[in-house]
Amino acid sequence: QKEVEQNSGPLSVPEGAIASLNCTYSDRGSQSFFWYRQYSGKSPELIMSIYSNGDKEDGRFTAQLNKASQYVSLLIRDSQPSDSATYLCAAGYNAGNNRKLIWGLGTSLAVNP
Amino acid sequence: ETGVTQSPTHLIKTRGQQVTLRCSSQSGHNTVSWYQQALGQGPQFIFQYYREEENGRGNFPPRFSGLQFPNYSSELNVNALELDDSALYLCASSPRQGTDTQYFGPGTRLTVL
Repeated sequence: QKEVEQNSGPLSVPEGAIASLNCTYSDRGSQSFFWYRQYSGKSPELIMSIYSNGDKEDGRFTAQLNKASQYVSLLIRDSQPSDSATYLCAAGYNAGNNRKLIWGLGTSLAVNP
Repeated sequence: ETGVTQSPTHLIKTRGQQVTLRCSSQSGHNTVSWYQQALGQGPQFIFQYYREEENGRGNFPPRFSGLQFPNYSSELNVNALELDDSALYLCASSPRQGTDTQYFGPGTRLTVL
């Protein structure tokens, strides 16, 4: 059973702090990883994708991938109240001739002014 | 905005009825995936369509069916609605089969009474 696990939270950080969100995955064959942000009642919005070990930075967001540990993280620097949302981690895997995503349940982040 | 549209936005049905949800994929995207997301859960994969053919299916009963049209828009049909079908239904499009990056529409909130 392929799984992606996230701490459900809520994770609470003060405004301006670094928020660290973590995700582990079970399928060693997974090659692609995604972080989506989802506001309450809205659909998921793609923030970052990462495919190689190491860090990938995009503005205030940094994704980190460690395939040996089967671990993906998302750092949000200078957290803002508008970052308060649920963050979903997803891993891509081969399903026969197809590619599919498996999703975590999400981590709720609250940024306090 | 991802360019993926869904209709209707909200829908209320009664148990036993049938429902059709619609999705228009982003221009140039030929792969559409449908997800069900219950409150507090991650998206659950229903099925994927590529060039008008079903291209993988999750653990959903046959009363969940779909179509993809030549313009790559898609429909999700659910027969014999049950109370547990109440959820946010998400459509996501991808640029081509074999890529993992998915862009979500705004979703359809279905309530079954």
